Amino acid sequence: SAVISQKPSRDICQRGTSLTIQCQVDSQVTMMFWYRQQPGQSLTLIATANQGSEATYESGFVIDKFPISRPNLTFSTLTVSNMSPEDSSIYLCSVSGAHSTDTQYFGPGTRLTVL
Amino acid sequence: QKEVEQNSGPLSVPEGAIASLNCTYSDRGSQSFFWYRQYSGKSPELIMSIYSNGDKEDGRFTAQLNKASQYVSLLIRDSQPSDSATYLCAVITSYDKVIFGPGTSLSVIP
Repeated sequence: SAVISQKPSRDICQRGTSLTIQCQVDSQVTMMFWYRQQPGQSLTLIATANQGSEATYESGFVIDKFPISRPNLTFSTLTVSNMSPEDSSIYLCSVSGAHSTDTQYFGPGTRLTVL
Repeated sequence: QKEVEQNSGPLSVPEGAIASLNCTYSDRGSQSFFWYRQYSGKSPELIMSIYSNGDKEDGRFTAQLNKASQYVSLLIRDSQPSDSATYLCAVITSYDKVIFGPGTSLSVIP
């Protein structure tokens, strides 16, 4: 499976600011995903990021709040904009193969605290 | 009805016992099923995937799938304290969405 890294691993931010999270993979992957995991909760998909096209957002998530870039097959960024304490979560990127049934592998996550 | 449900925890088993984790799903057309393990403060890691009815074994882990009854389970034999974690069931639905269950917390008592 691919080796996935995320930066930063954790951050503490002030309300109203924005944070960009980077996800780097050591091999080319077709599909990349961004998830949010709130304290004590399961994973919620924010969006699917495919290279060369706009990200596809899930219900309840919008591009203005969570802009995503996917400039190539090994890298993606998620920005959490105009943060509030409700955005405090772990943000995870994951990757999979070309098919929707392919297994997803997760990065180590970014722990975000918004004060 | 939630799309993917798991037995509520926390589940406690003594060391050496069999831990049984259950997951049910609502989309009858789902075809792909995964079990992930997540240690506290860590990201999920894949344990097993299963696509066909029946059992699939990998070491101490056995996944069981019954599409007619819409459930998938994970058995952990000879449970070890290192198995203490949250176990997440994930289902790929007929409309190509991955849905994660709420997770079951497992505690293996030495």
